[in-house]
Amino acid sequence: DTGVSQDPRHKITKRGQNVTFRCDPISEHNRLYWYRQTLGQGPEFLTYFQNEAQLEKSRLLSDRFSAERPKGSFSTLEIQRTEQGDSAMYLCASSLAASGELAETQYFGPGTRLLVL
Amino acid sequence: AQSVTQLDSQVPVFEEAPVELRCNYSSSVSVYLFWYVQYPNQGLQLLLKYLSGSTLVESINGFEAEFNKSQTSFHLRKPSVHISDTAEYFCAGGYNKLIFGAGTRLAVHP
Repeated sequence: DTGVSQDPRHKITKRGQNVTFRCDPISEHNRLYWYRQTLGQGPEFLTYFQNEAQLEKSRLLSDRFSAERPKGSFSTLEIQRTEQGDSAMYLCASSLAASGELAETQYFGPGTRLLVL
Repeated sequence: AQSVTQLDSQVPVFEEAPVELRCNYSSSVSVYLFWYVQYPNQGLQLLLKYLSGSTLVESINGFEAEFNKSQTSFHLRKPSVHISDTAEYFCAGGYNKLIFGAGTRLAVHP
């Protein structure tokens, strides 16, 4: 199966610790998205990349959050000095955006569930 | 502000009954609209999408949705549901970043 993969699937950490999540998109997909989903809510956009360039960041992405996609393939999302309010499911999605096309389809990974104690 | 509203947080229904899951979007949301489904312990899967053309779009498993510009709606329907349709359904709109509704939990009972 060559879908979007995320690692780890679950993470429990103590408040104040740093955590890093990884996302491997579908091969050859040039766009990669990060979303956050809290209980009872739909996913909320955090940021996205086209190849290695980070094109947009949500205001939800505070200074403690940083995302990278150094070689235009996998991406990492780091949260520094975690807070209990960071507890959520972090979703990654990828898509293939081609010029002249309308909106592309985003394919989602299984998510990383973060619990901050 | 951009928003997508799913009017029902939960919809219980008996097997083989019809169902409608309602979704409204704000006029500022791009009229590229999507329905995603999330089965228990699985990731989001695209169910169907409206980009342009025919306002009625269909999925391979019997769901359909109709884009209604005047009512800014994109309701999801199925004429006869199965137990296996039990899942959370998310309506979303947007071009790059997607704006999601809060989700509707469809519970199909025997």
